[in-house]
Amino acid sequence: DAGVIQSPRHEVTEMGQEVTLRCKPISGHDYLFWYRQTMMRGLELLIYFNNNVPIDDSGMPEDRFSAKMPNASFSTLKIQPSEPRDSAVYFCASTSGINTQYFGPGTRLTVL
Amino acid sequence: DQQVKQNSPSLSVQEGRISILNCDYTNSMFDYFLWYKKYPAEGPTFLISISSIKDKNEDGRFTVFLNKSAKHLSLHIVPSQPGDSAVYFCAASARVGTYKYIFGTGTRLKVLA
Repeated sequence: DAGVIQSPRHEVTEMGQEVTLRCKPISGHDYLFWYRQTMMRGLELLIYFNNNVPIDDSGMPEDRFSAKMPNASFSTLKIQPSEPRDSAVYFCASTSGINTQYFGPGTRLTVL
Repeated sequence: DQQVKQNSPSLSVQEGRISILNCDYTNSMFDYFLWYKKYPAEGPTFLISISSIKDKNEDGRFTVFLNKSAKHLSLHIVPSQPGDSAVYFCAASARVGTYKYIFGTGTRLKVLA
């Protein structure tokens, strides 16, 4: 299996622009997670889905952030409008319900 | 409010010696704990886990110890190797009804050759 795939790997944008991060989970996994990594807060869970349905979005920082999972093989995390404090590495992870979550390589976002 | 804390941002150890990484948690509902390892420009990868019904779990050079009364767990790496140099994240989960992991801020381990 190719593992969790994320795109783009790097994104540089200007403040106020819309940013869309993409994730393809491992085939057969029915849970998908979006995390944000910063130096100060480590890995923070933003939102997770089960069978394409959002289960817990309590970690989404504010209304500028939204996530969708239109089907079992694709999810997006959108930030609109982006701000410099959104600069971080964003990870997607998936699991089949057993305890180990498998992470993608991450998207490094820089908002100028 | 950090429910999972890794108070040492970094640790340096000589090759061949023991590395001990520490993690504290505050939520008594946590019943499953994991360690992930992360290399630069890669996603975290699962290393080892422990259930709250155990106090020790061993996998090769890696051993995780859990002290429930102190709400503390530690990862021991013996012997340490240069390839172990990475950031290590501790995570905790209250598995009943959720698959959420709460991660710590990570400890950067450097193993010196």
